[in-house]
Formats: sequence, structure tokens, C-alpha cells
Amino acid sequence: EAGVTQFPSHSVIEKGQTVTLRCDPISGHDNLYWYRRVMGKEIKFLLHFVKESKQDESGMPNNRFLAERTGGTYSTLKVQPAELEDSGVYFCASSQDPWAAEQFFGPGTRLTVL
Amino acid sequence: DQQVKQNSPSLSVQEGRISILNCDYTNSMFDYFLWYKKYPAEGPTFLISISSIKDKNEDGRFTVFLNKSAKHLSLHIVPSQPGDSAVYFCASTSMNTGFQKLVFGTGTRLLVSP
Repeated sequence: EAGVTQFPSHSVIEKGQTVTLRCDPISGHDNLYWYRRVMGKEIKFLLHFVKESKQDESGMPNNRFLAERTGGTYSTLKVQPAELEDSGVYFCASSQDPWAAEQFFGPGTRLTVL
Repeated sequence: DQQVKQNSPSLSVQEGRISILNCDYTNSMFDYFLWYKKYPAEGPTFLISISSIKDKNEDGRFTVFLNKSAKHLSLHIVPSQPGDSAVYFCASTSMNTGFQKLVFGTGTRLLVSP
């Protein structure tokens, strides 16, 4: 069974540009999460999808971030326009059991904004 | 305001000895706790968890202890092996969020030397 995959693995952009990150969850997992780790700090929750619906987006930093999950399969996270403080590693995770806390993480996308 | 704290950024242990990683939390609503292990360039991998109704959970070489009154948990690895060298994240969640939102600490880098 394939794990959670993320694309790209690295992205380097300039301030003001747009970047779109993609996450493919484990097949059949209805729950999809985005997290971010900035500069070696804690891994912070951004949002949670159940199928195509946003269940909790309380961690989204501001309206420059837009997450979508059309069709309830893969998800994209767009940052527009990117700022320097958006640099970090963006992790995607998925889970199937709605009452199981264990989440399966992808390898992450390292975003660098110059 | 960090709700989950891992105050030791790093820990060095000799192979065969015990590794003890600590974690403190401040939110009384947390009732489920997890440890994740992360190798470089990979996503966090679930290791072991514990519910607040227990004070100990064991899985092979890994044991997690929970002290609810002190809001403290620890991960014991016995015996430690060089392959255990990684960053360990403590995470907490609660039934109130349906166990869906993980709150992580900043991680502890464990180095096990031969």
C-alpha cells in the first residue's frame, strides 16, 4: 500500500510569487490534514478535511493560504503571495478511522521563500 | 503559547542503555498522547500512544508513561540502538476535537552512539 505522497519535495520561490503544494493521501483515507514546521519549531496544525469538506481550518495563518480537496482525493495548498515567514516544511497526513488519533504523514515539502 | 513542551532539544545515549525522552503539556483537555519518530527528509512516523485512562503503555523496547497530575509523559527506549537515532515528537489531542487535531512539541533529537 502506497503511503502519503507530496509534491514537490522542495520549492524555492521569491517573495510575492505563488506556490502550490500537492498531497496524495493513502487510498481510501477520508481524513486529510496539513501541518507546517517552521525553523525547527513545533509541527503546527493548519487544517483538516473530511472528504472534500473543511472540518477545521483554525490553524490557517491568514488568507494568503488556500487549501482545496476537490473530489475528496488529493489536496492542494496554495500560498499567494508568498512571504518570507512562510518558509518551512509543509507536511500532509491522512487517516481513515475518524476516532483514531494516529495519522500517517507524508515526507513533506520544504518551501523556501527568498 | 506552546501547549506541548519538550524542553530537551537533544539527548545522547550509548547503545544498550536506556533513553528517556520527556514531554510536558498544559492543556487539561488533552486525553490522548502520541510519540512520533522522524528521520531526516522523511515525515513523522507513529511510534506509540497512550490514553489518559492509562498510566503506562508498552510496545517492545518502547514504553510510554503518563503522569496526569503532573501533566507529564515520558518515552523510554530500552535498550537503545543506533537505528533509534532520530527526532522524537510528542503530540497531544483530545476527544473534544475527535482526536483529529494533533498538537506537537518541538522535538528532541536522540543520538545513540555505538
